[in-house]
Amino acid sequence: QVQLVQSGPEMRKPGTSVKVSCKASGYTFTGYYVHWLRQAPGQGLEWMGWINPTNGATQFAQKFVGWVTMTRDTSLGSASLELTALKFDDTAIYYCARASRDGYNTWYFEVWGRGTLVSVSS
Amino acid sequence: SSDLTQDPVVSVPLGQTVKITCQGDTLRTYSATWYRQKPGQAPLLVIYSNYKRPSGIPARVSASRSGNTASLTITGAQAEDEGDYYCSSRETGNNIVLFGGGTKLTVL
Repeated sequence: QVQLVQSGPEMRKPGTSVKVSCKASGYTFTGYYVHWLRQAPGQGLEWMGWINPTNGATQFAQKFVGWVTMTRDTSLGSASLELTALKFDDTAIYYCARASRDGYNTWYFEVWGRGTLVSVSS
Repeated sequence: SSDLTQDPVVSVPLGQTVKITCQGDTLRTYSATWYRQKPGQAPLLVIYSNYKRPSGIPARVSASRSGNTASLTITGAQAEDEGDYYCSSRETGNNIVLFGGGTKLTVL
């Protein structure tokens, strides 16, 4: 079946980096953009950006420009999210999601990974 | 505009009808998407393109959009409808995804 399997929980100290992976199965990886979102404890959903698995093009929400990287490995059918210079308030569950667009060119997310908890603590 | 506004908390007696709303200028142009999230779970797509239901979403869940407001209606609310509901759309003029702050739905 169609699924996105994310890597396990991570703990990091402030100022360090972390990489989260998202492996797709059950569909053609290059057929759908992969988006990344996060959710801080007790908070709402925050969209981070997307990657086009076909060519590696990316787009980010403004607050993530310059310190977040999204990559993909088409041979593995996997996307990755790397966050650098972590701060305490980057503690969150990070989700990858398979995206489609409707007739209004609005993204929607039909398939989600289970999420990866990244904890930033000294 | 880059804001989508939702009421933080809504409750409904079991079996009654409830409407959850989402307001934002971008909804005058672009469609609304709705997700439901239960504690400890990833969000689940319940409505896309203003009113379309993915397979597996029951017919008691419906939605519409008028002007700057999108609405999600649950007719005959069940206990399993509890959760946090998030609306989503896109920012005017670019490919940025927006989310509302979420509505916590309690079925009494």
